[in-house]
Amino acid sequence: QPVLTQPPSASASLGASVTLTCTLSSGHSTYAIAWHQQQPEKGPRYLMTLSSDGSHSKGDGIPDRFSGSSSGAERHLTISSLQTEDEADYYCQTWDTGIRMIFGGGTTLTVL
Amino acid sequence: QMHLVQSGPEVKKPGASVKVSCKASGYTFTSYDIHWVRQATGQGLEWMGWMNPYTGNTGYAPKFQGRVTMTRITSMNTAYMDLTSLTSDDTAVYYCARVPRGACDSWGQGTLVSVSS
Repeated sequence: QPVLTQPPSASASLGASVTLTCTLSSGHSTYAIAWHQQQPEKGPRYLMTLSSDGSHSKGDGIPDRFSGSSSGAERHLTISSLQTEDEADYYCQTWDTGIRMIFGGGTTLTVL
Repeated sequence: QMHLVQSGPEVKKPGASVKVSCKASGYTFTSYDIHWVRQATGQGLEWMGWMNPYTGNTGYAPKFQGRVTMTRITSMNTAYMDLTSLTSDDTAVYYCARVPRGACDSWGQGTLVSVSS
């Protein structure tokens, strides 16, 4: 089954852009993933589904500042014009017919 | 607008069971799978299992097999997650999520389950 690897932390300045990365394990580079945001003391919020070709569909109300892209086994989430409310944990998630659902370990984004 | 609304916090003693509910609104309940995910304090998201509300079919993560049961009452648009033989390691926030095609596209607000003697 696939494994999703995320760096534990990232940081960027207010108003800047940041790209978060989720890497699929060997042999699973064609898998689609989903990105979820979890602000402090809140539940997860669905951001988008991202395919291996870079096409993505966003959840209701997700701002245009959030976009996705893919390169090989890497799935990227780019947040532009960073705002203080973007400071959160970001999780990638995929699915498999056998195991059904897998999460990455999450990346904590700090807005400086 | 669709919503998943979960039951309130629970405090249980070790060895007890807990049942968490997840009421769906704003869409056809039987059209999409419901998955359950938990999160211990300061930890990541852990998948527990899934249920098809139309058929009642279920699938559980190996870690929880034998201890978890996922059910539903379709007339009430409500899914349930029952976890038995609780230990302190089960202290966590439990979430239900709607899953149309693999991705969780909507989450409940979470239910804190605390296990303590």
